[in-house]
Amino acid sequence: EIVMTQSPATLSVSPGERATLSCRASQSVSSNLAWYQQKPGQAPRLLIYGASTRATGIPARFSGSGSGTEFTLTISSLQSEDFAVYYCQQYNNWPALTFGGGTKVEIK
Amino acid sequence: QVQLVQSGAEVKKPGASVKVSCKASGYTFTGYYMHWVRQAPGQGLEWMGWINPNSGGTNYAQKFQGRVTMTRDTSISTAYMELSRLRSDDTAVYYCARGYYDILTGYYGNYFDYWGQGTLVTVSS
Repeated sequence: EIVMTQSPATLSVSPGERATLSCRASQSVSSNLAWYQQKPGQAPRLLIYGASTRATGIPARFSGSGSGTEFTLTISSLQSEDFAVYYCQQYNNWPALTFGGGTKVEIK
Repeated sequence: QVQLVQSGAEVKKPGASVKVSCKASGYTFTGYYMHWVRQAPGQGLEWMGWINPNSGGTNYAQKFQGRVTMTRDTSISTAYMELSRLRSDDTAVYYCARGYYDILTGYYGNYFDYWGQGTLVTVSS
């Protein structure tokens, strides 16, 4: 099983600032990585797939990068609605899909 | 618009089984894989498996093999996930999630573009 490790566990950011979230895979997942946003009491929402392609309707302030074992989700200018938990998910090692433990983005 | 509507919360005793439903609308039910993902209280996401609603074929995460059964009823566009021999650590919110499919290219991606609202299953004696 591929283990996905996200860092930091919690990120404190002021509105308008840039947030950078990391996701590391225990072995290469090529570009087969997705990012999700989850707000309290809600289901996750797909943000990014293929490591860098934004899903339908996702604002341009969200961007993804990386390949192999190191990935980054960047939120260029945090809006109030962006404070949430973010998860990465690899889908290279089929059928054993795995998620990272999440990064909580909180208001500083 | 695409919607996945799940059945309501359940309370079960250890050793019992639970069956959660997920009714799809707004798209061709048989054209997209349906996955199940769970989330224990305050914890992360855990993939359980998928069902191909067209063929009924399934693939389960190794952890759940022997305890989980995924089925579907195409006449009512509904997928089901049944988990047996419940334990207290099965207490979680269970989500159905549609697997991505690109109609133009025929590509199936094992990530999830639409999710149900979640069903809380509580296992307690």
